[in-house]
Amino acid sequence: DIQMTQSPSSLSASVGDRVTITCRASQSTNNYLNWYQQKPGKAPELLIYAASNLQSGVPSRFSGSGSGTDFTLTISSLQPEDFATYHCHQSYSLPHTFGQGTKLEIK
Amino acid sequence: QVQLQESGPGLVKPSQTLSLTCTVSGGSISSGAYYWSWVRQPAGKGLEWIGRFYTGGSTNYNPSLKSRVTISLDTSKNQFSLRLSSVTAADTALYYCAREGSGWIPIDYWGQGTLVTVSS
Repeated sequence: DIQMTQSPSSLSASVGDRVTITCRASQSTNNYLNWYQQKPGKAPELLIYAASNLQSGVPSRFSGSGSGTDFTLTISSLQPEDFATYHCHQSYSLPHTFGQGTKLEIK
Repeated sequence: QVQLQESGPGLVKPSQTLSLTCTVSGGSISSGAYYWSWVRQPAGKGLEWIGRFYTGGSTNYNPSLKSRVTISLDTSKNQFSLRLSSVTAADTALYYCAREGSGWIPIDYWGQGTLVTVSS
């Protein structure tokens, strides 16, 4: 299995901040790397697919980058609705696997 | 707009079989190149991919669960199902059904999730 490791596990930030979350895979995901946002009591929502492609309807303040084993999710200017848990996910190799999540909290 | 809704017992006894159904609306589960998937999330923990059924008929399961899990489609009802046998407390989780695209497109539609507790 490909192990996905996110850092940090939690993060405190303020509205307007620029935030970066990283995800490292134990082996190459061939850029089949996706990011989801999950709010309490809700299902995850797809933000970024294939490392850097913005899902339709997702605000442009979200962006993804990286290749091979190292990937980054960036939120350029945090909005109140962005405080949530973020999960990276590889869909390259079976079984598909997720990172442990990064909880983004209000400072 | 595709919508998915899980249903099934919220409480299952240890050693019994967990059975959940996902009803899909807004599209036919037998058309297109999609994977109909199940993902679970224990309380306070990360997401775990359980497996999927491709519209072409093939299935893929997580090896950690493979001997216990079955995913099937009922095209007449536009539903797909999860069966997990010999459950233990470790199977207690929020279970999501989901749709995954083909190629680069990962899971893009999720159900709201249903909590299953394994307890006597």
